[in-house]
Amino acid sequence: AQSVTQLGSHVSVSEGALVLLRCNYSSSVPPYLFWYVQYPNQGLQLLLKYTTGATLVKGINGFEAEFKKSETSFHLTKPSAHMSDAAEYFCAVSFYNTDKLIFGTGTRLQVFP
Amino acid sequence: DAGVIQSPRHEVTEMGQEVTLRCKPISGHDYLFWYRQTMMRGLELLIYFNNNVPIDDSGMPEDRFSAKMPNASFSTLKIQPSEPRDSAVYFCASTPGGRVGAFFGQGTRLTVV
Repeated sequence: AQSVTQLGSHVSVSEGALVLLRCNYSSSVPPYLFWYVQYPNQGLQLLLKYTTGATLVKGINGFEAEFKKSETSFHLTKPSAHMSDAAEYFCAVSFYNTDKLIFGTGTRLQVFP
Repeated sequence: DAGVIQSPRHEVTEMGQEVTLRCKPISGHDYLFWYRQTMMRGLELLIYFNNNVPIDDSGMPEDRFSAKMPNASFSTLKIQPSEPRDSAVYFCASTPGGRVGAFFGQGTRLTVV
């Protein structure tokens, strides 16, 4: 079955610290992978995506993620957290043969001063 | 383009009443998704359309829920009769294809009392 798993429903970091949000997927076909961010009372906004090509992808607000096929992972990182990064982050997966977009359960990021 | 437009933004209704949520996708996007977000279940895919045709409605919780897409610029999600457990935020999203990622509306917050 095709699915996506986010480890850790809550992550807390200090301002300026490294942010690491984990995402693993399960798929029998090559996936398209996405990270979205949701601020309170807002819709979801696309941060970055991997489809083909370079496995390290850069997104908005200084975030990046690396597709590791051998580990079936697509972890999201940011070298230095900012207070404005506090939000909920969702990993999502889609496939070339269905275009169905499936989301993980989300990780709430808190940033402390 | 103004993005994906959902209406209403907030809806409060009494149990047993019919509720209709509306969505206008981004022009030119062939795919339209309806999601439901709750604290307990996260972001669930209810149904998605390709070129106005429902492709997968396996996420629709029960027969009280129905969705239509009469043309490329309009979709509705109807709940009849509504129940308190239907209270959630309902999101509509559209995309030109799986590789691009989906663009989300601001959501409709439904409260059934």
